[in-house]
Amino acid sequence: DTEVTQTPKHLVMGMTNKKSLKCEQHMGHRAMYWYKQKAKKPPELMFVYSYEKLSINESVPSRFSPECPNSSLLNLHLHALQPEDSALYLCASSQEYSRWETQYFGPGTRLLVL
Amino acid sequence: AQKITQTQPGMFVQEKEAVTLDCTYDTSDQSYGLFWYKQPSSGEMIFLIYQGSYDEQNATEGRYSLNFQKARKSANLVISASQLGDSAMYFCAMREGDGGSSNTGKLIFGQGTTLQVKP
Repeated sequence: DTEVTQTPKHLVMGMTNKKSLKCEQHMGHRAMYWYKQKAKKPPELMFVYSYEKLSINESVPSRFSPECPNSSLLNLHLHALQPEDSALYLCASSQEYSRWETQYFGPGTRLLVL
Repeated sequence: AQKITQTQPGMFVQEKEAVTLDCTYDTSDQSYGLFWYKQPSSGEMIFLIYQGSYDEQNATEGRYSLNFQKARKSANLVISASQLGDSAMYFCAMREGDGGSSNTGKLIFGQGTTLQVKP
């Protein structure tokens, strides 16, 4: 079963709000990822967690704060976002963090910042 | 630096016909992985097929096959017997890294090709 779940599916928030995106996988994968995707563009990597430790932060603004509470869960905490942060946020996981492993994506959260 | 090029922004294909989506890549790594993903309008990125740089044979998964030409650095996706549900954006991607301590494992995406299947 190659399923990654994400909640919520849609989120509308104001620039002063604080919200969180949640991602979950039960495939025993030890690497998890957050991507941001604008319309008609490829996904852009934001963060990588490997064995519950942050491995890569692609110079993402601090208004995005990732958290990996355990090997199955990945959160993305949002605060003081800007309208240009509106996008599809995709979570992915893979067995390990290596070039040979396939990343499996969740359905995404469509975020609108007003 | 690694780079993926998809030169077809949009394509049409008649239902039940085969279609080839082009992908070329540029890398100085000797070992790498190539992936194709499908993204319907719903947003989910669906993994379709994988090819390792050392794999001798072209990968196949059901109606999907990957035409891998290493010397030309191309990894085209072939979809046989197109179906209406194949209408989506398709991304070619490569994972970079040299297998050693510098293996970052980042997934590099092309710009995507939008495929529309006509009934």
